[in-house]
Amino acid sequence: DGGITQSPKYLFRKEGQNVTLSCEQNLNHDAMYWYRQDPGQGLRLIYYSQIVNDFQKGDIAEGYSVSREKKESFPLTVTSAQKNPTAFYLCASSRVGYGYTFGSGTRLTVV
Amino acid sequence: DQQVKQNSPSLSVQEGRISILNCDYTNSMFDYFLWYKKYPAEGPTFLISISSIKDKNEDGRFTVFLNKSAKHLSLHIVPSQPGDSAVYFCAASAEGGATNKLIFGTGTLLAVQP
Repeated sequence: DGGITQSPKYLFRKEGQNVTLSCEQNLNHDAMYWYRQDPGQGLRLIYYSQIVNDFQKGDIAEGYSVSREKKESFPLTVTSAQKNPTAFYLCASSRVGYGYTFGSGTRLTVV
Repeated sequence: DQQVKQNSPSLSVQEGRISILNCDYTNSMFDYFLWYKKYPAEGPTFLISISSIKDKNEDGRFTVFLNKSAKHLSLHIVPSQPGDSAVYFCAASAEGGATNKLIFGTGTLLAVQP
């Protein structure tokens, strides 16, 4: 079955640590995206990538980094510079001109 | 600056009645609109979409209406069922652009009462 997989489902981070969220898709989609969901704020775009080895900042990229070395993979690193990292993170992929397919999300909590 | 707005954070409807979820946008370059449904702790799933060349699109119990002059779209669910209880996100894109980015609204929590 084709789909998009995020792991882990739950992640706990200590203050000052970097953590990496995984996102893998086997849909052969060119574009991939990372969104963050906070209560009352909807989905806000962190980073997106239209093609391998290229990515662009979204609306709230500060404190995050990404890479796109393979078409199938778009990992997101939440760095210690992100001041309020506790949130639900969603990865998505798409073909250009079509809507997104979302993963099931990763809930990150700072402890 | 919120380009896509869902001004009702929540809506409660009786089972069998109509649910109407509203969405407003400010960017006149948007030409493709989508609705997504999201359950807690899950990713959103695509529900229905509409291109700006249309003013209505229907899929079973779900109908989306687009009023370009008012920069307003709405999602009608008839009849509403308890399983429809979820958060609904409106999203928009400028399809002619290269990025295919979707801009999402803040969501409306729909509760369908049995």
